[in-house]
Amino acid sequence: DIQMTQSPSSLSASVGDTITITCQASQDIGNYLNWYQQKPGQAPKLLIYDASNLKTGVPSRFSGSGSGTDFTFTISSLQPEDVATYSCQQYSSLLPITFGGGTKVEIK
Amino acid sequence: QVQLQESGPGLVKPSETLSLTCNVSGYYISSGYYWGWIRQPPGKGLEWIGNVFRSGSTTYNPSLESRLTISVDTSKNQFSLRLRSATATDTAIYYCARLQYSYGYAFDFWGQGTPVIVSS
Repeated sequence: DIQMTQSPSSLSASVGDTITITCQASQDIGNYLNWYQQKPGQAPKLLIYDASNLKTGVPSRFSGSGSGTDFTFTISSLQPEDVATYSCQQYSSLLPITFGGGTKVEIK
Repeated sequence: QVQLQESGPGLVKPSETLSLTCNVSGYYISSGYYWGWIRQPPGKGLEWIGNVFRSGSTTYNPSLESRLTISVDTSKNQFSLRLRSATATDTAIYYCARLQYSYGYAFDFWGQGTPVIVSS
């Protein structure tokens, strides 16, 4: 299995800050990585696919980058509605599809 | 708009079978894409369970494969999960979702999730 290591597990930042979350794969996955947002009590929502492509309708303050084993997810100008847990998901190997452990984002 | 809705017992006894169904509206399963199950144990991350295609072909998480059956009923536009010999470690919120491959392999529509507790 390809293991996805996400860090940090949680962070607290102020409104307007830029935050960065990293996801490291245990082996090269190319750009086969997606990012999801999960607000409390809700299902995950796809934000970014193929490492850096913003899903239609997702605000441009969200972005992703990286390839191979190291990936970054960034929120520029953090907003109160961005309070959520963010998770990465790889599909380089579909057996199995694996997710990172998640990063909980809170507002200071 | 594609919508998915999970249904099934919220409480399952240990050693019994955990059974859930996902009803899909706004899209015909027979039109394509994969249909999957994902779970989230309390306080933990997401775990992919498996997928089914309209033809009935399946891919399963190897860690669950020996206990797992996922099936599809295109006439009812729904797909189902059966996990045999349930234990407390199967306690989780279970989500059904569409796995599309037009832009990556990503779950783009999800059900609201249904909690399942395995306990006597």
